[in-house]
Amino acid sequence: QSVLTQPPSASGTPGQRVTISCSGSSSNIGSNYVYWYQQLPGTAPKLLIYRNNQRPSGVPDRFSGSKSGTSASLAISGLRSEDEADYYCAAWDDSLSGYYVFGTGTKVTVL
Amino acid sequence: QVQLQESGPGLVKPSETLSLTCAVSGYSISSGYYWGWIRQPPGKGLEWIGSIYHSGSTYYNPSLKSRVTISVDTSKNQFSLKLSSVTAADTAVYYCAREVAPAEYFQHWGQGTLVTVSS
Repeated sequence: QSVLTQPPSASGTPGQRVTISCSGSSSNIGSNYVYWYQQLPGTAPKLLIYRNNQRPSGVPDRFSGSKSGTSASLAISGLRSEDEADYYCAAWDDSLSGYYVFGTGTKVTVL
Repeated sequence: QVQLQESGPGLVKPSETLSLTCAVSGYSISSGYYWGWIRQPPGKGLEWIGSIYHSGSTYYNPSLKSRVTISVDTSKNQFSLKLSSVTAADTAVYYCAREVAPAEYFQHWGQGTLVTVSS
């Protein structure tokens, strides 16, 4: 059902910068905030970025979010082994009666 | 610090109703916020099921709306999920979470509970 498309995988070596894209439409990313969640193996998702580019307290500034038109991106700079996880974008979609939609997810591997 | 804990049967038979409860500690549901359910089939992505306010106001994912009921019990500081007519496609880890505001983000999550639909 997901209408937010992410690449299935991304990878980098320690210290590198990795970027994950999230493609949507005018009814979701184009008109609402984007959020990013990190899911470490075997754990519940954790909020990483809210309202396009805001970091909750405790989230390192190595993580940054941006949005342009109907797409958004999450960048991880100075990649570390503990960043190996699944990452999901999310947004509210105004179509139908409105619903919260998650992206397809991206597995980040630290080589 | 707010904490959420899901509980309920780990195995449900096809065509029956899945029932889960989320106990909240460290925060009174009556004080505000929305409270939601999200699920994740094994090896797959996340799907929002629906959310509820302490007053009982709800909103659901249109794809599940006909089968979902979310309710709140402020006296027990918990909220619940019922999903009817389940099939194997409803097998998933079910998470409860606190939502900052309608159509906003999920700030705090429970650890999740696996529910398997099988005869």
